[in-house]
Amino acid sequence: LAKTTQPISMDSYEGQEVNITCSHNNIATNDYITWYQQFPSQGPRFIIQGYKTKVTNEVASLFIPADRKSSTLSLPRVSLSDTAVYYCLVAVNNAGNMLTFGGGTRLMVKP
Amino acid sequence: NAGVTQTPKFQVLKTGQSMTLQCAQDMNHNSMYWYRQDPGMGLRLIYYSASEGTTDKGEVPNGYNVSRLNKREFSLRLESAAPSQTSVYFCASRRGQPPNNEQFFGPGTRLTVL
Repeated sequence: LAKTTQPISMDSYEGQEVNITCSHNNIATNDYITWYQQFPSQGPRFIIQGYKTKVTNEVASLFIPADRKSSTLSLPRVSLSDTAVYYCLVAVNNAGNMLTFGGGTRLMVKP
Repeated sequence: NAGVTQTPKFQVLKTGQSMTLQCAQDMNHNSMYWYRQDPGMGLRLIYYSASEGTTDKGEVPNGYNVSRLNKREFSLRLESAAPSQTSVYFCASRRGQPPNNEQFFGPGTRLTVL
């Protein structure tokens, strides 16, 4: 079964670029890598997902190396409002419909 | 569109009582999920329904049952609540099919079992 591993926490300062890595050694051949953001007392919110190389949207970029065993979420120029928990997610069964969250990375952005 | 709705928002139960958490989505999604989140922890999958008429166990199914009533609704039942089930419960629906892992979450139900 595919599992994800992330750093428990990270600190940054406003205006900096933040890179959060996730390890997923047993990812299925055709699965996507998906990232979520969660604020206190709210459900997770989808940020970005990709299959390989680089994906960019208005919020973040996602970098996936050729072997797909890891991925990096990049948040450009973070602000205080980016303080949240960030989760990477891959499917854990071959059918691709069992979606479990790991422990996530708690990002603290300081002024 | 309301997205994913959950009822109730808050609930206090006594040990041994039963209750059903309701979840509905109006996005015509096939797959729906129930997670629990304990304070300071990540989300854990309780049950999921890949399509109408099917349900499967997740990581922590013990003490829970689910019903996929129709395509819109997926309920979670606690038959005999225990203090260890004190948690925030999130329902989610998934856009499209695998490998798309984009889920939409409801606001959560905060459950306390005394």
